[in-house]
Amino acid sequence: TQLLEQSPQFLSIQEGENLTVYCNSSSVFSSLQWYRQEPGEGPVLLVTVVTGGEVKKLKRLTFQFGDARKDSSLHITAAQPGDTGLYLCAGSGAGSYQLTFGKGTKLSVIP
Amino acid sequence: DVKVTQSSRYLVKRTGEKVFLECVQDMDHENMFWYRQDPGLGLRLIYFSYDVKMKEKGDIPEGYSVSREKKERFSLILESASTNQTSMYLCASSVTPRGMDEKLFFGSGTQLSVL
Repeated sequence: TQLLEQSPQFLSIQEGENLTVYCNSSSVFSSLQWYRQEPGEGPVLLVTVVTGGEVKKLKRLTFQFGDARKDSSLHITAAQPGDTGLYLCAGSGAGSYQLTFGKGTKLSVIP
Repeated sequence: DVKVTQSSRYLVKRTGEKVFLECVQDMDHENMFWYRQDPGLGLRLIYFSYDVKMKEKGDIPEGYSVSREKKERFSLILESASTNQTSMYLCASSVTPRGMDEKLFFGSGTQLSVL
């Protein structure tokens, strides 16, 4: 069974601060996805990374896939209250047709 | 935009009742999934389907069954609801062909309470 560990579990920061959340595994993934889930809604896909070392940017969000394709990070610059939500990483493993989800990082950005 | 619609946002049922959760997607996606989401446990896959009338067990299928009679509709059935099935249920669909990376589109969820 492939596991994805996310850290921190909870994060509360002031508007304007920077933050990084992590998604780690001992397994290799063929790709890794990040979702954001707002209260009362389903998760929404933010990005997919597929190549070891890949970096993708989405406005103030920067996603990185580790060189060995076992880990990923999400960095948010100058966080805003609209960034508040649950951030989930999900990995697609070699030989598996299913996504494995981490337990999520719950982010609160205080105005 | 892809739309995945779950029939109810909130449901309250009694122990032992048969419960149907309905999900419809409007983008002709082949793949559909049912997850449950619990605090501290994350998303866990219950069942999925890659084609009409086809179903496969996920990680926690016990106590659940599914039905996919039409491509756009995927139903989750709790044969005899129990209190430990109180949870947020999320339906998802994806267009990616089987064997490639799944990119999921989720519904808004059904919060089920079993009393």
